[in-house]
Amino acid sequence: EAGVTQFPSHSVIEKGQTVTLRCDPISGHDNLYWYRRVMGKEIKFLLHFVKESKQDESGMPNNRFLAERTGGTYSTLKVQPAELEDSGVYFCASSARTDQPQHFGDGTRLSIL
Amino acid sequence: AQSVAQPEDQVNVAEGNPLTVKCTYSVSGNPYLFWYVQYPNRGLQFLLKYITGDNLVKGSYGFEAEFNKSQTSFHLKKPSALVSDSALYFCAVRDSDYKLSFGAGTTVTVRA
Repeated sequence: EAGVTQFPSHSVIEKGQTVTLRCDPISGHDNLYWYRRVMGKEIKFLLHFVKESKQDESGMPNNRFLAERTGGTYSTLKVQPAELEDSGVYFCASSARTDQPQHFGDGTRLSIL
Repeated sequence: AQSVAQPEDQVNVAEGNPLTVKCTYSVSGNPYLFWYVQYPNRGLQFLLKYITGDNLVKGSYGFEAEFNKSQTSFHLKKPSALVSDSALYFCAVRDSDYKLSFGAGTTVTVRA
């Protein structure tokens, strides 16, 4: 089975621009999570979708971040406008049920100049 | 709030020697604990989990972890390390909302 796929693998943009990250979960996985690791710090939870609904978005840092999961399949995470502190690696994970291990994608490395 | 701590930033061992990566946890209820490994430029790969049951949990690639309730620890172990085990290891705890809280990570280097 195909794993969690994230695109792009790396994005370099200037401060103030907009970037959209995409995540394709494992087929059939209703649960989709976004995490990020800012340089040198811990991996932090951003939000959790169950199908197309946001179950928990307590980790979203501010309103510059917008996540969507239309149709309950792939998800996008938009950062608008990007700030320097948004640089880091953004991971997506999915699971069939919430009590099962989360499977991670390879991440998107976001660099804000 | 639930949290885990990985007290060692780096662990260096010789190939063939035992490998231990330490993790301690702090939870308000029953702990749901996980180990993940990250190879360079890759995502996190699930190694093993402790939900309930036996204190010794076996996982992928010959790894195992020992759950110790009295010491609130969940150390990752491998009896004989390989050079290919060199990677970044993360301990994590899952809370009641199903989100994972990760430790800072431990870089393991296995020298030939």
